[in-house]
Amino acid sequence: QKEVEQNSGPLSVPEGAIASLNCTYSDRGSQSFFWYRQYSGKSPELIMSIYSNGDKEDGRFTAQLNKASQYVSLLIRDSQPSDSATYLCAVPRGGSNYKLTFGKGTLLTVNP
Amino acid sequence: DAGVIQSPRHEVTEMGQEVTLRCKLISGHNSLFWYRQTMMRGLELLIYFNNNVPIDDSGMPEDRFSAKMPNASFSTLKIQPSEPRDSAVYFCASSSNTYVGDGYTFGSGTRLTVV
Repeated sequence: QKEVEQNSGPLSVPEGAIASLNCTYSDRGSQSFFWYRQYSGKSPELIMSIYSNGDKEDGRFTAQLNKASQYVSLLIRDSQPSDSATYLCAVPRGGSNYKLTFGKGTLLTVNP
Repeated sequence: DAGVIQSPRHEVTEMGQEVTLRCKLISGHNSLFWYRQTMMRGLELLIYFNNNVPIDDSGMPEDRFSAKMPNASFSTLKIQPSEPRDSAVYFCASSSNTYVGDGYTFGSGTRLTVV
């Protein structure tokens, strides 16, 4: 199993819909989880972090974590065309507190 | 805050040539990471510095790659000799402490093409 796995997409949703992005990880010891957004030709930018099981909300974004299932997701409510980007899941690597392992990302397209 | 600054933005070079990529950290940040991004492999960590000291270079692909951090605000990544398979986008990122919890701030990247 790869350390961090994401569906590469593309995921296409209509404007105003909920976009659901998923990520699984292999290291049961991982304690923190991050979602980065990367626009085409740009660098990744941190949009959400989550450390505890359950949901964490920030505006239109909600991160969900289930450590038992080794699963983290990102929900984007009221999706906008400006949300069209690649979303990268990142997890500290194997006991390290500094090495982030990134998934390959899911390309999201929000259609007007 | 000017952010993490990388140069050049684009580099096209011939196989066998030396390439030097540069990165200026955010003032006050003491951790520096060099990443490489390709379609096939995604984002890969090459090397990590903390307080100017290389802590982990296990991701450096081979001896052709070297990285330095001569002072607290500046780093270079050198490839000598370059090969076509080195073509990728190279990012540096910095953070304010050794704990990844605050996430990284990435520079705008250098797109390297080796022909």
